[in-house]
Amino acid sequence: GESVGLHLPTLSVQEGDNSIINCAYSNSASDYFIWYKQESGKGPQFIIDIRSNMDKRQGQRVTVLLNKTVKHLSLQIAATQPGDSAVYFCAESLTGNQFYFGTGTSLTVIP
Amino acid sequence: EAGVTQFPSHSVIEKGQTVTLRCDPISGHDNLYWYRRVMGKEIKFLLHFVKESKQDESGMPNNRFLAERTGGTYSTLKVQPAELEDSGVYFCASSLGARQYQETQYFGPGTRLLVL
Repeated sequence: GESVGLHLPTLSVQEGDNSIINCAYSNSASDYFIWYKQESGKGPQFIIDIRSNMDKRQGQRVTVLLNKTVKHLSLQIAATQPGDSAVYFCAESLTGNQFYFGTGTSLTVIP
Repeated sequence: EAGVTQFPSHSVIEKGQTVTLRCDPISGHDNLYWYRRVMGKEIKFLLHFVKESKQDESGMPNNRFLAERTGGTYSTLKVQPAELEDSGVYFCASSLGARQYQETQYFGPGTRLLVL
């Protein structure tokens, strides 16, 4: 299968600081990427997506950056809040519908 | 609007027993997916239904796993007989299916399966 991995398994940030979560993917043919947030006891929740014809997309307090040259994806969270504490997964899509997920990064926000 | 629901939320069974997991997708969603996350590892694709048809089952680990979606509504995933390595969290997701390109998949809360 394809390799989708996260550089750091855990990340701790102070409340109010910005967070950056990184993800590497191996298949240059992937053309759709999603970031999911998973809180304890819940399923992954969609945060933001980006298609390969873009290199940046912004949402509410979140920005996803895509660098196709080095096959790197990042999620930036501005002014991190305690409610942002969760495991974050990146996922890439190779075909029309099948997604490949990374192992996840656990984000802890320190009050 | 109700999200994707899964039942049961937890299941503890002994090796060799049978377990059936259920997923109710968001109403009107044609696409239904099953995923599994084994402890500490990535979420892995199992299979994909479009309505009642299996579109892609390349991720099913072996023939002990059987997924059905009769009538194109809810889906079941049966594991028979269960083995220790089947333990993990089983997620179901659904998407609308109205577009040609990739769509956002909405996940259920998962079923936590423990095989002893």
